[in-house]
Amino acid sequence: AQKVTQAQTEISVVEKEDVTLDCVYETRDTTYYLFWYKQPPSGELVFLIRRNSFDEQNEISGRYSWNFQKSTSSFNFTITASQVVDSAVYFCALSGLYNFNKFYFGSGTKLNVKP
Amino acid sequence: DVKVTQSSRYLVKRTGEKVFLECVQDMDHENMFWYRQDPGLGLRLIYFSYDVKMKEKGDIPEGYSVSREKKERFSLILESASTNQTSMYLCASSPLILQGGSYNSPLHFGNGTRLTVT
Repeated sequence: AQKVTQAQTEISVVEKEDVTLDCVYETRDTTYYLFWYKQPPSGELVFLIRRNSFDEQNEISGRYSWNFQKSTSSFNFTITASQVVDSAVYFCALSGLYNFNKFYFGSGTKLNVKP
Repeated sequence: DVKVTQSSRYLVKRTGEKVFLECVQDMDHENMFWYRQDPGLGLRLIYFSYDVKMKEKGDIPEGYSVSREKKERFSLILESASTNQTSMYLCASSPLILQGGSYNSPLHFGNGTRLTVT
């Protein structure tokens, strides 16, 4: 079964704090892809990152970084020095190599960054 | 930039009405999707289409149908709206291209249609 769990429903931080959003997944596929999307109040989900299961290198993009660990089936997302504009709902998603049209989304984590 | 446009941002309909949600994308993407977003449940796939006139059921197709007569347009139809279909509906598209040995392209989403059925 394919499943994505985002256990943190809502997180509140003060601006400039670091925050980590957790994502744990389940899959029987040996090749799969993980994604993070951001949904700001405007409603449109914005793609942030895609990683495949063979690439466990951590990735950094500005204040964003992603920690992929196959051993714990986790793909966590850290925002360093958070800003008010980071306030959004963040979704983690999983798709398999052979059912690439099927995305399994977590329930999302709402991040509130207060000034 | 890919643009996915959903015709209505907010919609209020009565129980039993036939409802059409329209979605248009401008990047010639083969794949189009309809998701439903509910609090605590994330996004759930209703239907997707990988080509004109082709469609496949997602996880929650009951009470819905779809139409894809043109590549750029994917319509979601609620044959007889019910109150439990009150939700946010998100349309998405993606290209069918082989990239890095994979067809797993990211989805491009529209702004969503918040439908209320009374």
